Amino acid sequence: TQLLEQSPQFLSIQEGENLTVYCNSSSVFSSLQWYRQEPGEGPVLLVTVVTGGEVKKLKRLTFQFGDARKDSSLHITAAQPGDTGLYLCAGASETSYDKVIFGPGTSLSVIP
Amino acid sequence: GAGVSQTPSNKVTEKGKYVELRCDPISGHTALYWYRQSLGQGPEFLIYFQGTGAADDSGLPNDRFFAVRPEGSVSTLKIQRTERGDSAVYLCASSPDRNYEQYFGPGTRLTVT
Repeated sequence: TQLLEQSPQFLSIQEGENLTVYCNSSSVFSSLQWYRQEPGEGPVLLVTVVTGGEVKKLKRLTFQFGDARKDSSLHITAAQPGDTGLYLCAGASETSYDKVIFGPGTSLSVIP
Repeated sequence: GAGVSQTPSNKVTEKGKYVELRCDPISGHTALYWYRQSLGQGPEFLIYFQGTGAADDSGLPNDRFFAVRPEGSVSTLKIQRTERGDSAVYLCASSPDRNYEQYFGPGTRLTVT
C-alpha cells in the first residue's frame, strides 16, 4: 500500500516568515502534485512535478521533487495571511496512473 | 466557465437510510473522480470514471457504496444503509483526460446521525 506522509501536521507562523513543509513516502511516484484547500472548499492544484530533482517556482512558493521521486518539499518565502490553508501533496503511482493517493496535509496558519 | 458543482452541499440522514450525492463535472471533461475526506485527513480515493465506465473502483469501502455515470457527464454516488462512520465530506473532481490534473468541487458534507 502506498502511503504519503506530511510534516509538520500543523504550522503557525508570523507574516513575513519563511517555511518548508515536507511530503515523504517509501514508494516511487510517477508524478506528484501539491494542492491547497480552504475550509468548505475542494483542493485547488498548485503544481505538478514529474522529473526527479525538478524544481518549480510559483511566485513565493518553491516546489521540489526528490531525485528518487519518493519525496517532495514546498517552501514559502515571506508568508502572507492569504497563504493560510491546508496543503496537500498527492502522488500517482507508476502502476496505477489514474489512482491518486493524497497525504494527510499540513495545516498552515499565517498570523498578521 | 462553470466549475465542478456538487449537490446537496450538506446532507443529514439517519443511520440505515439511503442517500444519493450528485456531481456535475466541468463540461467536456471525460474523467471523473470521487473521494471521501474525513476531518483532519486528506481525500481518500473512492472511484474513477473514464466516460461512462468505472475504470477503477478499488477505493469503494464495501458493497453499500455504488456510483454511476450513465451518460458520461453527471455522476451519482449512492450509499445504502448508511452508518455513522460514513460521515465525511464527499468530494468530486473532473479532468479533461487521463493526465490527472483534477478540478475539485466544493464537496457534500454527509452527516449520519
